[in-house]
Amino acid sequence: KNEVEQSPQNLTAQEGEFITINCSYSVGISALHWLQQHPGGGIVSLFMLSSGKKKHGRLIATINIQEKHSSLHITASHPRDSAVYICAVKLGGSGSRLTFGEGTQLTVNP
Amino acid sequence: EPEVTQTPSHQVTQMGQEVILRCVPISNHLYFYWYRQILGQKVEFLVSFYNNEISEKSEIFDDQFSVERPDGSNFTLKIRSTKLEDSAMYFCAIRTSESYEQYFGPGTRLTVT
Repeated sequence: KNEVEQSPQNLTAQEGEFITINCSYSVGISALHWLQQHPGGGIVSLFMLSSGKKKHGRLIATINIQEKHSSLHITASHPRDSAVYICAVKLGGSGSRLTFGEGTQLTVNP
Repeated sequence: EPEVTQTPSHQVTQMGQEVILRCVPISNHLYFYWYRQILGQKVEFLVSFYNNEISEKSEIFDDQFSVERPDGSNFTLKIRSTKLEDSAMYFCAIRTSESYEQYFGPGTRLTVT
């Protein structure tokens, strides 16, 4: 079983729709990252959070430590949001490596 | 956001050849990481490097791999004798001691033929 599970694997939306991508993890963590991977392969850090909620523009990330679950929301989606969104966790304990989910391929159609 | 550059952006090499991938942080960060992503698969951790030594490595990081920071600036990943299965995108990441947030370079696409 993967330590980090994302859903859905693929998501297609119409421009303007509200998007939710989910991430569940099975072990204790000290931080969770949401990353965006563009078609060319580059990875951009969107959020790092360990509790509560963070907002940046049209992006909102939440985390529930007790339920071991995080969500990434995109409001008023746009075709330029099309990318792979990756959840990655820093496991609790020593070490700072990230453990990654499989990613969610988001396609926003005009 | 701190800038990280990686060179080359794409490297094609023959099986058995040595390759060196380079990571150059624009600002003075202390923690360095190498990750790889085989085409169609998830990103995997290879190694972390702090204070001029390896602090953590994965089972993937065997004797064929090595890392160093030869001039106090560049951070390099060397693969001694490449195999076909080393073909992947290799990402460098950096962070400071103040935060666990990691910032990724644009990646080097390695193709082993």
